[in-house]
Amino acid sequence: KQEVTQIPAALSVPEGENLVLNCSFTDSAIYNLQWFRQDPGKGLTSLLLIQSSQREQTSGRLNASLDKSSGRSTLYIAASQPGDSATYLCAVSPSTDKLIFGTGTRLQVFP
Amino acid sequence: GAVVSQHPSWVICKSGTSVKIECRSLDFQATTMFWYRQFPKQSLMLMATSNEGSKATYEQGVEKDKFLINHASLTLSTLTVTSAHPEDSSFYICSAPDRGLRFSNQPQHFGDGTRLSIL
Repeated sequence: KQEVTQIPAALSVPEGENLVLNCSFTDSAIYNLQWFRQDPGKGLTSLLLIQSSQREQTSGRLNASLDKSSGRSTLYIAASQPGDSATYLCAVSPSTDKLIFGTGTRLQVFP
Repeated sequence: GAVVSQHPSWVICKSGTSVKIECRSLDFQATTMFWYRQFPKQSLMLMATSNEGSKATYEQGVEKDKFLINHASLTLSTLTVTSAHPEDSSFYICSAPDRGLRFSNQPQHFGDGTRLSIL
């Protein structure tokens, strides 16, 4: 059974810091891996998607890497801002559509 | 762009009530939709896969008779929580894959979620 774990569970940092969020999964047979952002009481916003054949994806201040063989992904946030405060979820797809979500990292960036 | 509309966004009702949640794809057809549940400070757990025109596929540990899923059209799936009790209080979110965006950076669209509170 696929299990997805995220470390740390919570993170509080001052504005401007560069951050690394970690995601690990137990079964390397994945279709893709996605990183999402969730604001309190809200739905999900897709940030980055990495296909199983890819190593990384970048969007603005965000960079996500994937090492499928070791079952790891990292989300790098450069120059963090208070507006980045949210819960970040990684999710793996064992097939084309189904998602298995990680435990989440709650990020707070204070001014 | 394509979106998924989920309704209602918030429900408070008495124990024993049945509650229906709708998930609608607005400008694309969704032969498959997914229903997730999220308890406070926990991650999203897949409950079931809703298949248009056929029975839903439930994840292990999810009661089929408790969570009724109907996917009668290509744009609408409904989740009914039957005889809801306080332990069913949770945040329910649906998602729908957009086949036209399968290889894009956002192949699925998520609803905004429904917060269900059972008194």
